[in-house]
Amino acid sequence: DQQVKQNSPSLSVQEGRISILNCDYTNSMFDYFLWYKKYPAEGPTFLISISSIKDKNEDGRFTVFLNKSAKHLSLHIVPSQPGDSAVYFCAASAWGGGSNYKLTFGKGTLLTVNP
Amino acid sequence: DAGITQSPRHKVTETGTPVTLRCHQTENHRYMYWYRQDPGHGLRLIHYSYGVKDTDKGEVSDGYSVSRSKTEDFLLTLESATSSQTSVYFCAISEGTGSSNQPQHFGDGTRLSIL
Repeated sequence: DQQVKQNSPSLSVQEGRISILNCDYTNSMFDYFLWYKKYPAEGPTFLISISSIKDKNEDGRFTVFLNKSAKHLSLHIVPSQPGDSAVYFCAASAWGGGSNYKLTFGKGTLLTVNP
Repeated sequence: DAGITQSPRHKVTETGTPVTLRCHQTENHRYMYWYRQDPGHGLRLIHYSYGVKDTDKGEVSDGYSVSRSKTEDFLLTLESATSSQTSVYFCAISEGTGSSNQPQHFGDGTRLSIL
């Protein structure tokens, strides 16, 4: 049972335009959401996060929106640049009991930004 | 960049042999994690540690064991490797005070092929 879903395996956009990556989740206990970017042959790099008490978080060109009622979040990249071409993973965490938390990842979306 | 070193970076071995992957951190973070990444699955948690000698299972722990004898090192062992364990393995660390606002930071991965 996939609790975090990224339904678009790939997305292609033109340089300078907006990229919108989507993520849906099913577990209502998730209270923290993160986006990671991954280049080939490298580990995922933390990009931006949002707590469930907020509906928007912005960091430079990157903005994450959270719609709790729809169990949906999205990552907006404006303007998109060729260097943004990578796989983007959505992840979510819920309090896992004890002194730990665990991340559940989506399958990723490959973003290609064309010059 | 978070000080995380995974070794080896690449390994080819035969079915039935034992394999140990090492994750070394210089950040003195309490929490360490092992994930595997496979096509169509995103990243899946194998085991994690919330302190020296404190470990617990993730969602795909069968066939794997871990050990953490000191803060900086987290070892993942495949006691008898199988072809289904061919994958890219990522180590991650986090400060993790127990709240849910501590992102995990990843190493660059170990590509393991089991023939």
